[in-house]
Amino acid sequence: DVKVTQSSRYLVKRTGEKVFLECVQDMDHENMFWYRQDPGLGLRLIYFSYDVKMKEKGDIPEGYSVSREKKERFSLILESASTNQTSMYLCASSLGTVLYGYTFGSGTRLTVV
Amino acid sequence: AQSVTQPDIHITVSEGASLELRCNYSYGATPYLFWYVQSPGQGLQLLLKYFSGDTLVQGIKGFEAEFKRSQSSFNLRKPSVHWSDAAEYFCAVGAGGTYKYIFGTGTRLKVLA
Repeated sequence: DVKVTQSSRYLVKRTGEKVFLECVQDMDHENMFWYRQDPGLGLRLIYFSYDVKMKEKGDIPEGYSVSREKKERFSLILESASTNQTSMYLCASSLGTVLYGYTFGSGTRLTVV
Repeated sequence: AQSVTQPDIHITVSEGASLELRCNYSYGATPYLFWYVQSPGQGLQLLLKYFSGDTLVQGIKGFEAEFKRSQSSFNLRKPSVHWSDAAEYFCAVGAGGTYKYIFGTGTRLKVLA
């Protein structure tokens, strides 16, 4: 089974800090995604990457950037964390189009104080 | 506009009772439809998917869903709910050749013993 591993389960950061969320997948998937999950809003796509060094903005990219230097690793960066970025962050990967389905990590719950 | 609506935010059922979770979509192209489940503290797991053919699809954990084009619906069902089914359920839609889903806002299922 494909595994998607998010490095931290819980994080607490201060306002203005630069925050890195790391995600690693172990099955050579082409595509990787970062979602934000908030109650009542469901999952919202922040960024996705369809190849190494390639990225595309999702629905809510403001305040975030991403990095994909290696195929298996996709990092989400909060340039200057703010309290409204307190949320659950989910990483996912997929072999190809939506037909293949996504494999999700367990999530990182980030609190910005 | 493309959208997925899950009208029920919360549903409570007794263990052993039947379950139906509603999902309605608005999508310009031929939709590919999915249900994901998120158990507490976990990422999302794919339950089932519909691309074409038989409109009743079977998934894992005893779930099934029926695609009704005339009603733009893809409701999830289970004949007899188990306590372990308590989770949040997300309906999603995508199109062939695309990488991204549109997710619904989720339905949280509570199971009474």
